[in-house]
Amino acid sequence: AQKVTQAQTEISVVEKEDVTLDCVYETRDTTYYLFWYKQPPSGELVFLIRRNSFDEQNEISGRYSWNFQKSTSSFNFTITASQVVDSAVYFCALSGEMDSSYKLIFGSGTRLLVRP
Amino acid sequence: DSGVTQTPKHLITATGQRVTLRCSPRSGDLSVYWYQQSLDQGLQFLIQYYNGEERAKGNILERFSAQQFPDLHSELNLSSLELGDSALYFCASSVVTGGELFFGEGSRLTVL
Repeated sequence: AQKVTQAQTEISVVEKEDVTLDCVYETRDTTYYLFWYKQPPSGELVFLIRRNSFDEQNEISGRYSWNFQKSTSSFNFTITASQVVDSAVYFCALSGEMDSSYKLIFGSGTRLLVRP
Repeated sequence: DSGVTQTPKHLITATGQRVTLRCSPRSGDLSVYWYQQSLDQGLQFLIQYYNGEERAKGNILERFSAQQFPDLHSELNLSSLELGDSALYFCASSVVTGGELFFGEGSRLTVL
């Protein structure tokens, strides 16, 4: 079965601090995909990144970076120099080839509060 | 703007009633997914359609049903509503299998 665990329920930081959101996944698929989504207070789900299981290269996009480690089944997300606008709930998600629908299985989310 | 349109954005109704939520996927996307987000259950997959055909079912209640029409828009029908059905219902679409899902803004259902 596929499972995504986001152990951090809530994180509170002061603006300009770096913060890492943890994501651990379980799957028996050889080919799978990992995602991060942001849900700001307005409620919509915003796609941030997609990673396939064969690409372990870390990715950086501005202040955002992602660290994918198959050895530990983790796909962590770091925000550098956090800003108040980063306050949101962040979801990690997983989809796999054994499920023909490729539906996303979401973690429970981490609520990030960035204080001024 | 994800390109996925959901209506209505907000809906308040009474127990026992029936509602229909509508979703228009991004242009060209054949897959439509429905998710329910509630405080205690998180984001739960309900059902997926691909080019008009049901592809997968999640923990969707028998009181709920969905369909995807020839123009690819989809509707989620919720009947005999209960207080516990109050939630944010998301529709998402994707263009390729294994690709990212693009979510609409959601339909917030409140059952009183």
